[in-house]
Amino acid sequence: DAKTTQPTSMDCAEGRAANLPCNHSTISGNEYVYWYRQIHSQGPQYIIHGLKNNETNEMASLIITEDRKSSTLILPHATLRDTAVYYCIVRVYFTTIFTAGGTSYGKLTFGQGTILTVHP
Amino acid sequence: ETGVTQTPRHLVMGMTNKKSLKCEQHLGHNAMYWYKQSAKKPLELMFVYSLEERVENNSVPSRFSPECPNSSHLFLHLHTLQPEDSALYLCASSQEGRVGETQYFGPGTRLLVL
Repeated sequence: DAKTTQPTSMDCAEGRAANLPCNHSTISGNEYVYWYRQIHSQGPQYIIHGLKNNETNEMASLIITEDRKSSTLILPHATLRDTAVYYCIVRVYFTTIFTAGGTSYGKLTFGQGTILTVHP
Repeated sequence: ETGVTQTPRHLVMGMTNKKSLKCEQHLGHNAMYWYKQSAKKPLELMFVYSLEERVENNSVPSRFSPECPNSSHLFLHLHTLQPEDSALYLCASSQEGRVGETQYFGPGTRLLVL
């Protein structure tokens, strides 16, 4: 899976939009961009994913550049509860069930992520 | 009960103890995972089960022994652990074989080895 680069930390004022960038310049044509977040000492929470079109759900929007080498996660109205570590991950978009020795079971490789702090 | 659940949420054990972590998924998924997250480190994949068969074992010491009796349940049996094994242990599940599928995580078990 392609590697990603994210800023170590970001700040955002409550009620403002939080824009979290991610670079994935070596992304392959068969890889999606996924975003997860992890609030302190909890399990990672899936946010959104996309292939090449912009995506929006109830939590966030995902903007992927036309060349797919970077993306931005947008939290439109950040709240204090959005303070967390945000992970950008690229992963193959189709996985198959493999027996031992296979590699396409849906592996997620987590990096260090971006620590987003939302302040009042 | 929804999603992925893990019990216990917190566990303190001595190095000579034997304990087990339990994970249950209520999503009808066919793959389950154990991850380890040590302080200030990224998540590390430990084991993967696909259709109840172990398909990945990332050089995990034998003092960690996984068990997947069916597609909804996953256990991690612990024995003679070391203090450096203290970490957050996370379970996840997914439905593999579908386009764009992803993993859903449980809340984790915070383990302290004394």
